[in-house]
Amino acid sequence: GENVEQHPSTLSVQEGDSAVIKCTYSDSASNYFPWYKQELGKGPQLIIDIRSNVGEKKDQRIAVTLNKTAKHFSLHITETQPEDSAVYFCAASNVLTGGGNKLTFGTGTQLKVEL
Amino acid sequence: DSGVTQTPKHLITATGQRVTLRCSPRSGDLSVYWYQQSLDQGLQFLIQYYNGEERAKGNILERFSAQQFPDLHSELNLSSLELGDSALYFCASSADRAQDTQYFGPGTRLTVL
Repeated sequence: GENVEQHPSTLSVQEGDSAVIKCTYSDSASNYFPWYKQELGKGPQLIIDIRSNVGEKKDQRIAVTLNKTAKHFSLHITETQPEDSAVYFCAASNVLTGGGNKLTFGTGTQLKVEL
Repeated sequence: DSGVTQTPKHLITATGQRVTLRCSPRSGDLSVYWYQQSLDQGLQFLIQYYNGEERAKGNILERFSAQQFPDLHSELNLSSLELGDSALYFCASSADRAQDTQYFGPGTRLTVL
């Protein structure tokens, strides 16, 4: 089955700096890669996603890049703000036998934006 | 707010007991997913239902079962509870095209004493 590795597990940056989180996946059939932000006591919130026919996607301060050949994808947050502090999860998805699909998550990155 | 609702928010029970967690998907979504989040296992997929039928199964224990009702809400039943079942349980929903975006609910925190 799919295996997703995520690095780093913790990341501390100064306000205004950029943050980069990297993930690799194992199943070449995976074709959808969402990123979720989870704040304490809340459910994961989708912040951006990318599909396998696209190499890069940007939404304001957040961007995601995908390298299908190398099987890795990355989240880039620019001009970080204290409210960006949270746990970020990458995930990979593919369609399963029988038509279902599931997300396989990375282990999470605790991002701390310091003033 | 994702539009996915889960009840209860917290549940405290004893080993050996049985509990039911409830999820209502976003309006119009036909697919419901259940995930377990624990410190040692991370976020793990349990099971998916689409329009009342089981569609995909993950690492779900035989003590756990789920169903999706005609009004599309779903219930996750956990029985013969063990201490290790203590975790956050999340429900997500999607419109269920292939690769469709999954929106997560706020979760139910289960504590087994």
